Amino acid sequence: GENVEQHPSTLSVQEGDSAVIKCTYSDSASNYFPWYKQELGKGPQLIIDIRSNVGEKKDQRIAVTLNKTAKHFSLHITETQPEDSAVYFCAAGDSGAGSYQLTFGKGTKLSVIP
Amino acid sequence: GAVVSQHPSRVICKSGTSVKIECRSLDFQATTMFWYRQFPKKSLMLMATSNEGSKATYEQGVEKDKFLINHASLTLSTLTVTSAHPEDSSFYICSVPTGFTDTQYFGPGTRLTVL
Repeated sequence: GENVEQHPSTLSVQEGDSAVIKCTYSDSASNYFPWYKQELGKGPQLIIDIRSNVGEKKDQRIAVTLNKTAKHFSLHITETQPEDSAVYFCAAGDSGAGSYQLTFGKGTKLSVIP
Repeated sequence: GAVVSQHPSRVICKSGTSVKIECRSLDFQATTMFWYRQFPKKSLMLMATSNEGSKATYEQGVEKDKFLINHASLTLSTLTVTSAHPEDSSFYICSVPTGFTDTQYFGPGTRLTVL
């Protein structure tokens, strides 16, 4: 089965700086890679996703890059703000399998220091 | 994206009782829903796949007689924790995949505390 590794487990940045979270996956059949933000006591919120036919995707201050050859993908947050503080999860899935299941990384706790 | 609700948001019960958690897809008809369990400061663990009109599919190690899942309609799935014990205390979250796009949207979660 799929295995997703996520690093770092914790990350502290100064407000305004950039934050980068990296994930690797093991199953070459995986073709869908979403990122979720989870605030304390709440369900995960989808913030951006990328599919294997695209190398990079950007949405305002958030971007995701995918390297299929190396089987890794990264989340980039620029101009961080205190409200970006949360736990971020990467995930990988194979939409071609028809099961829609995702395998999640263990999460990164991001703290943005004002 | 899909709007997903869960009820209740938190529940406290005595050991030995059963607790039902509802997951509703408010704007999307879902033949499949997922149930996850999350321990404090841990990742999401898939418990089972809820299938409308058929039996749920459970992940290895998840007791199907302990965690009963019923997908009553295209907008409602329920998870019943039977004879709950303190070790069942956790954060339970459902998600709805939006069909063709396979994007999953999560509910707000239910905090279960078993005394």
